[in-house]
Amino acid sequence: EAQVTQNPRYLITVTGKKLTVTCSQNMNHEYMSWYRQDPGLGLRQIYYSMNVEVTDKGDVPEGYKVSRKEKRNFPLILESPSPNQTSLYFCAVRQGAGGELFFGEGSRLTVL
Amino acid sequence: GENVEQHPSTLSVQEGDSAVIKCTYSDSASNYFPWYKQELGKRPQLIIDIRSNVGEKKDQRIAVTLNKTAKHFSLHITETRPEDSAVYFCAASPSGNQFYFGTGTSLTVIP
Repeated sequence: EAQVTQNPRYLITVTGKKLTVTCSQNMNHEYMSWYRQDPGLGLRQIYYSMNVEVTDKGDVPEGYKVSRKEKRNFPLILESPSPNQTSLYFCAVRQGAGGELFFGEGSRLTVL
Repeated sequence: GENVEQHPSTLSVQEGDSAVIKCTYSDSASNYFPWYKQELGKRPQLIIDIRSNVGEKKDQRIAVTLNKTAKHFSLHITETRPEDSAVYFCAASPSGNQFYFGTGTSLTVIP
């Protein structure tokens, strides 16, 4: 069964405390990406990765970092979280070149 | 970059009626247009997609139309059911790597 696993699913943290949201896939897809979802703004792409060691900025990369050291993992790093990063975050893989996005279950992050 | 606008933001229909959601895009390089359905508390899931070399695509009660000249595409749901109630997002992709989403339409189907 195809799985995109995100951890943690819920997190409340404080401003400035570094955190990492992990994303792991079991489908051997090359492409992975991160999105944030905010009310009234839809989904906005943060970063994407076309393969190991290949990452690129999406529409809203400010305040985030990513790494892709292994094909199955694509962590999202918030070095110094701020309240405006309070959001629902989704990791997604792309099934095939130009194919559909398959999303993880989401991680709800609150920064106080 | 690409700008995708989606209307309406909310839509209520009677069960059995049709629902139409419209999106416009700005970048003529966009060539892939998926639609996602997100039920409350769940992940977005693809329901239908269309590529720029096709004008219309249908899958049972769901259809999508694309007008490249006008840069707009629409989702049509016929014979709506209560389980169609959800938030629907359109998206445009110029490369298959970058995806730009609309702001969503909350569809309510009234039994």
